[in-house]
Amino acid sequence: NAGVTQTPKFQVLKTGQSMTLQCAQDMNHEYMSWYRQDPGMGLRLIHYSVGAGITDQGEVPNGYNVSRSTTEDFPLRLLSAAPSQTSVYFCASSGSGTSTDTQYFGPGTRLTVL
Amino acid sequence: ILNVEQSPQSLHVQEGDSTNFTCSFPSSNFYALHWYRWETAKSPEALFVMTLNGDEKKKGRISATLNTKEGYSYLYIKGSQPEDSATYLCAPWAGSYQLTFGKGTKLSVIP
Repeated sequence: NAGVTQTPKFQVLKTGQSMTLQCAQDMNHEYMSWYRQDPGMGLRLIHYSVGAGITDQGEVPNGYNVSRSTTEDFPLRLLSAAPSQTSVYFCASSGSGTSTDTQYFGPGTRLTVL
Repeated sequence: ILNVEQSPQSLHVQEGDSTNFTCSFPSSNFYALHWYRWETAKSPEALFVMTLNGDEKKKGRISATLNTKEGYSYLYIKGSQPEDSATYLCAPWAGSYQLTFGKGTKLSVIP
């Protein structure tokens, strides 16, 4: 049981490049989410999904795209990377995303945009 | 987006000391409050989920209380150990399937 996995662990991009951060979970969770962690800030929600085919925006969605074609996978796409997107990205999942559901976090992806 | 405040931002305690820190959040439309523990170079791990006013949760030497009427929660660590060194995050559930995380309290326990 791997839990929540993320790839890659580290990535360096040049401004304007695009890339996809991968996230997968093997717990059959309906709810998946992406957060970014910046120094001096709390975890901020980028996008979330309450099930396959359903996605919605969080607090900081601009510059990011998501899709949820399967229950297991929730990739995060950077369309045209900018230095402001340098951050640590965490994927999380929970059973159904309701108020008392515990979220389980992946190990994170550290992204640097030059 | 909820306004979540955690204090202090950081603290250093000696091994064996007990300590506590605070999470403040809007008291209106309260649903639930989550506490997470986040060790350096790891990912956040859930400690507690609290829902009821006056609720008290305990896991080993760590406990938490909740006051939904005034909008705060305390996290207590009794007899701090070096392995308790971590950032402790609180996150009230904001509705619409969203948790709003505070900036955390970074605890360093000095052996």
